[in-house]
Amino acid sequence: AQSVSQHNHHVILSEAASLELGCNYSYGGTVNLFWYVQYPGQHLQLLLKYFSGDPLVKGIKGFEAEFIKSKFSFNLRKPSVQWSDTAEYFCAVTPDNYGQNFVFGPGTRLSVLP
Amino acid sequence: KAGVTQTPRYLIKTRGQQVTLSCSPISGHRSVSWYQQTPGQGLQFLFEYFSETQRNKGNFPGRFSGRQFSNSRSEMNVSTLELGDSALYLCASSLGTGAYEKLFFGSGTQLSVL
Repeated sequence: AQSVSQHNHHVILSEAASLELGCNYSYGGTVNLFWYVQYPGQHLQLLLKYFSGDPLVKGIKGFEAEFIKSKFSFNLRKPSVQWSDTAEYFCAVTPDNYGQNFVFGPGTRLSVLP
Repeated sequence: KAGVTQTPRYLIKTRGQQVTLSCSPISGHRSVSWYQQTPGQGLQFLFEYFSETQRNKGNFPGRFSGRQFSNSRSEMNVSTLELGDSALYLCASSLGTGAYEKLFFGSGTQLSVL
């Protein structure tokens, strides 16, 4: 069965610090990779996605993620976080063309201190 | 454009009862998927419907069922409720089926089983 792990349960940063959230998945075939974000009191929303091509993908609000196939990783990065980035971040994977049965990671709560 | 609407927002039931949750997708969206979110297990895929047909099903017992109507609205039903069914149930809609489609999530229905 596929699984997704996220390295940190809770990350606390000061504004302007750099962010990297780890995500690893277990699945031997071709996958599609996603990062979703849930801001306090809001719905889950798509941050960025990777299907194929350039392994460095850019998303909304200055976020980017790098797919490293050999490491089964899809880490999320942002060079300088803002207080408004405080949210819960979920990494998700679905086997290619397998529909919408995403496998989500447990989530990482990010708290950015002003 | 209205977002994904889930009703009711909160629900309290007792063990052994059954419950029906409703999801109205964004207008024009034909795919609806359901997820269970708990602090221990995170987000877990329940099932996906597209054009009134179940496309994929997660690893949940048969007590969990769903359906989709011709107007794309979807319901999920849980029979013989157990304490462990207490969770936030999220619905997501998309234009079409498949992992390439962007999911739009609702606010969820918080189910408490006493």
